[in-house]
Amino acid sequence: KQEVTQIPAALSVPEGENLVLNCSFTDSAIYNLQWFRQDPGKGLTSLLLIQSSQREQTSGRLNASLDKSSGRSTLYIAASQPGDSATYLCAASRGAGSYQLTFGKGTKLSVIP
Amino acid sequence: EADIYQTPRYLVIGTGKKITLECSQTMGHDKMYWYQQDPGMELHLIHYSYGVNSTEKGDLSSESTVSRIRTEHFPLTLESARPSHTSQYLCASSESGRGIQETQYFGPGTRLLVL
Repeated sequence: KQEVTQIPAALSVPEGENLVLNCSFTDSAIYNLQWFRQDPGKGLTSLLLIQSSQREQTSGRLNASLDKSSGRSTLYIAASQPGDSATYLCAASRGAGSYQLTFGKGTKLSVIP
Repeated sequence: EADIYQTPRYLVIGTGKKITLECSQTMGHDKMYWYQQDPGMELHLIHYSYGVNSTEKGDLSSESTVSRIRTEHFPLTLESARPSHTSQYLCASSESGRGIQETQYFGPGTRLLVL
């Protein structure tokens, strides 16, 4: 059974800092790994998806990496802004060809102006 | 641009009532999902659908039922609501096919409170 863990549970940084959010998963036979953002009272917004054959994906100030052998993924946010404040969720697919996701509990990020 | 809608956004209802949470998407996605999320906790998959007339239960046991009669519509029904059903319900959809990344797109969610 896949388990996804995110550390830390909460993080507070001053505006402008670079930061890294961590995600670990127990079953390395994943199809893909996705990072989402969740704002209070709202649904999830997809940020980045990394296929199992890829090592990283980039979108603007965001960079996500994937190391299947160690069961880890990181989300790097450059030059953080107050608008980045949200909960960031990591989700791993169950297996090859599977589209069922197992989610972590998320990291709540606060960027202080 | 992801277009997936959920109604109602908030619902307060008494124990024993029948409720239906609506979810619709205009992207023509073949796969749809229902997740349940308690405050501060992870999302758990409760139902999913591969396409019309195809539904399966997810990992988290749920007393709710779903139907998929049309591609764009995936309603969730609770025949008799109980306080233990109080939670946030999130609907999502994705597209499958060769070369498709299968990113899941989420609706805004329905917050359900059963008194």
